Amino acid sequence: KNEVEQSPQNLTAQEGEFITINCSYSVGISALHWLQQHPGGGIVSLFMLSSGKKKHGRLIATINIQEKHSSLHITASHPRDSAVYICAVKPNTGNQFYFGTGTSLTVIP
Amino acid sequence: NAGVTQTPKFRVLKTGQSMTLLCAQDMNHEYMYWYRQDPGMGLRLIHYSVGEGTTAKGEVPDGYNVSRLKKQNFLLGLESAAPSQTSVYFCASSWSGLYYGYTFGSGTRLTVV
Repeated sequence: KNEVEQSPQNLTAQEGEFITINCSYSVGISALHWLQQHPGGGIVSLFMLSSGKKKHGRLIATINIQEKHSSLHITASHPRDSAVYICAVKPNTGNQFYFGTGTSLTVIP
Repeated sequence: NAGVTQTPKFRVLKTGQSMTLLCAQDMNHEYMYWYRQDPGMGLRLIHYSVGEGTTAKGEVPDGYNVSRLKKQNFLLGLESAAPSQTSVYFCASSWSGLYYGYTFGSGTRLTVV
């Protein structure tokens, strides 16, 4: 089973474009986690959020609890943003996060 | 540098062999996790720990055991490796399970032949 659906699965953008990655889930959650996996395999935690919006540099994460949806935006995209972006949710019941399969982003110079 | 260190980075095992993966963190984090990542699937939680001396099962615990004898170390054991355990294994740690981000190790690529 997978509680989390991400779209698109693959995304190619030109440098400088505004990028949106979507995450939908089907159950009530207490937290949502956005992560970045580099081409070399390393994983970095980007945001943990349960409501509203968070911003860090050119990255913005939003969540709509009622619609069970979150978006990750990248402004002024750069080739170094090329990575797999992963969404994970923690249901209201239980102690673990469930991860999506990721969105593979390629930013072309 | 502070962070999460996993050893080894690569390993090839024969079916039936045993091994232990070590995860060490120097950030005084309470929570530690072991995940596996397989092609076409999201990260899946194997076991986790919410503090020294405690462990709990995750989504896919069968065939694995863990121990957290010291706060900074979380060991993942495979008693009798099977080809289905071929995967990339990630360890992670966090201050708490909910409000703080995770710090991940660089991963261990395990092949069971």
